[in-house]
Amino acid sequence: DTAVSQTPKYLVTQMGNDKSIKCEQNLGHDTMYWYKQDSKKFLKIMFSYNNKELIINETVPNRFSPKSPDKAHLNLHINSLELGDSAVYFCASSQEVGSAEAFFGQGTRLTVV
Amino acid sequence: GQQLNQSPQSMFIQEGEDVSMNCTSSSIFNTWLWYKQEPGEGPVLLIALYKAGELTSNGRLTAQFGITRKDSFLNISASIPSDVGIYFCAGQRQETSGSRLTFGEGTQLTVNP
Repeated sequence: DTAVSQTPKYLVTQMGNDKSIKCEQNLGHDTMYWYKQDSKKFLKIMFSYNNKELIINETVPNRFSPKSPDKAHLNLHINSLELGDSAVYFCASSQEVGSAEAFFGQGTRLTVV
Repeated sequence: GQQLNQSPQSMFIQEGEDVSMNCTSSSIFNTWLWYKQEPGEGPVLLIALYKAGELTSNGRLTAQFGITRKDSFLNISASIPSDVGIYFCAGQRQETSGSRLTFGEGTQLTVNP
């Protein structure tokens, strides 16, 4: 069983479209994250949620809206996609908000054309 | 924002050789972690370090939390082809709004059989 699973794995879409990426964890963790990995492989945190509440928003454009219906799910919705949004997006989870050990999903490669 | 300087950027070695990579920061971290990422996958946690000076091993991997809390290194002994991948250091600082991981730029390791 996959601990942190995200769908889809690949997403190709046109500029201006709206898209969503879904993430689920079955580890019973309280805290979930979205990270963005750019073309140079640099990983940067975007959001962190703890028990469905937003605790970190790393100055991400408001076209990106995370939603956590319950603590096992954290979805990412992106409006009006731009070319610069092309990247790999990783969902991750950790046991609690202070836990350093984060477990990552397989990533969603988003390509905006 | 806070950056971790990771070196080297890439390494090309022969199977059986030992490998060493390190991360430095201008700021103190409470926790240092090392992750490995293989193509098409998310980062996988290798080692977590919680105390300054701590030396921890995981099989052929050994990592240390620098005494100043501003650096960490990872050694891989007797490398094998499946060690190929990108190795990331990450640091965590506890903040009032939650904790977040700051990642290094990664070390791309290639092992020639």
